[in-house]
Amino acid sequence: DQQVKQNSPSLSVQEGRISILNCDYTNSMFDYFLWYKKYPAEGPTFLISISSIKDKNEDGRFTVFLNKSAKHLSLHIVPSQPGDSAVYFCAARYTGFQKLVFGTGTRLLVSP
Amino acid sequence: ETGVTQTPRHLVMGMTNKKSLKCEQHLGHNAMYWYKQSAKKPLELMFVYNFKEQTENNSVPSRFSPECPNSSHLFLHLHTLQPEDSALYLCASSPGTSGIHNEQFFGPGTRLTVL
Repeated sequence: DQQVKQNSPSLSVQEGRISILNCDYTNSMFDYFLWYKKYPAEGPTFLISISSIKDKNEDGRFTVFLNKSAKHLSLHIVPSQPGDSAVYFCAARYTGFQKLVFGTGTRLLVSP
Repeated sequence: ETGVTQTPRHLVMGMTNKKSLKCEQHLGHNAMYWYKQSAKKPLELMFVYNFKEQTENNSVPSRFSPECPNSSHLFLHLHTLQPEDSALYLCASSPGTSGIHNEQFFGPGTRLTVL
C-alpha cells in the first residue's frame, strides 16, 4: 500500500506559466516532506522541504504548500522554465524514523 | 570528484554472475543508503548505514549483500540475481539519520540488467 501518492504521472505547461505538482499521503505520522527533482541519467536532487508545523515554504520560484487536514501537499513553480522539465518526486518521513517514503513521480514538461 | 558517485553506471549480468556496485560520497556525511527504483514504482529503500553500522534492512533478499567499510564508501554485492532485479540502483548519503534536516543527496545510479 503506497503511503505517498502522486496521481499524475505527467504534466505539460507552457513557459512562463505556473506548474502545480500534487502529492497525497496517508500516514498521519509524517511530519517532514520533501520534493526531489530528477533529470535523465542523474540521481534525484533535493529541491525544497516543509515541516508539518508550517503550511508554506518558499524558495525563489518554488513554493511548497502543506494541507495537513487533507494530507496533501503541492509544489508550485512560478514562472515555469524549460529547464524545469524533469521528474519530480514527493517524499515524506517522520521524526526519529530515518526512512524516506517516495511517491512514483510526476514528469513535468515545460515547453517554450 | 564531488557529491555522490556510483560505478559502474550500467551493468548487464547473468543470473549466475557475481558483481558489485560501488558508491562513494565526498560530502563528509555519516549515513549512506541503497535504494532500488523499478519501472513505474517508487524508490524503495533497501539498506541504511550510519557510522558504518547497518541500521536498516528493508526485508531485502540475501542475494543482495551490502558492505560499508567506512563512512565514505558503500558497496552492494550481487549474487544469483533474478531478471526481476533489473532496476536502477541509487546510492544516497546524508549528514546523519536523525533530526529534521537530514536531506539525502543521491548519486546518478547504476542501471542494472539481469539476463
